[in-house]
Amino acid sequence: DQQVKQNSPSLSVQEGRISILNCDYTNSMFDYFLWYKKYPAEGPTFLISISSIKDKNEDGRFTVFLNKSAKHLSLHIVPSQPGDSAVYFCAASGGDDKIIFGKGTRLHILP
Amino acid sequence: ETGVTQSPTHLIKTRGQQVTLRCSSQSGHNTVSWYQQALGQGPQFIFQYYREEENGRGNFPPRFSGLQFPNYSSELNVNALELDDSALYLCASSRDNRETEAFFGQGTRLTVV
Repeated sequence: DQQVKQNSPSLSVQEGRISILNCDYTNSMFDYFLWYKKYPAEGPTFLISISSIKDKNEDGRFTVFLNKSAKHLSLHIVPSQPGDSAVYFCAASGGDDKIIFGKGTRLHILP
Repeated sequence: ETGVTQSPTHLIKTRGQQVTLRCSSQSGHNTVSWYQQALGQGPQFIFQYYREEENGRGNFPPRFSGLQFPNYSSELNVNALELDDSALYLCASSRDNRETEAFFGQGTRLTVV
């Protein structure tokens, strides 16, 4: 049973436009959410996080939105750049500080 | 400050064999977690070691075992390899169990034939 779901395996976005990656979760005990970016032949690198006490967190071009009632979060990247092409993992943690990952969304930024 | 390094980067083993993967944690980190990332899946937690003791385990059979050394480097051992064990194995290090602040290594790609 998947507790963190990324229903879009891939997404293509024009350079300069907004990329929106979505994530749903089922476990209401999750209180901390993270996004990781992964390039081929590299490990995941932390991108941005949000605590359940907030509904938005922003870091430069990256913004994460959390809708607790819908158990949904999204990552917005604006403007999208070629270097943003990667696999993005949504992850969640609760209480025990262990991380549960989604399956990932492959983002392609088109020139 | 050195990052998290894993060895080897690639490995091919035969079904039924045993394998040992290695991870050097980042300087100052005392916690190492291991993850399995199968093709098309996200990383799945195998287990965590904190100060040389196992500190949490995911849904993996006992043939997956580990070790952490006094310098906080770690090994992942898998016995009786199965074809489904083919995956990218990731190690992540952090301070004091703080998994949400962990740094990942580049992974070891294991292929079982």
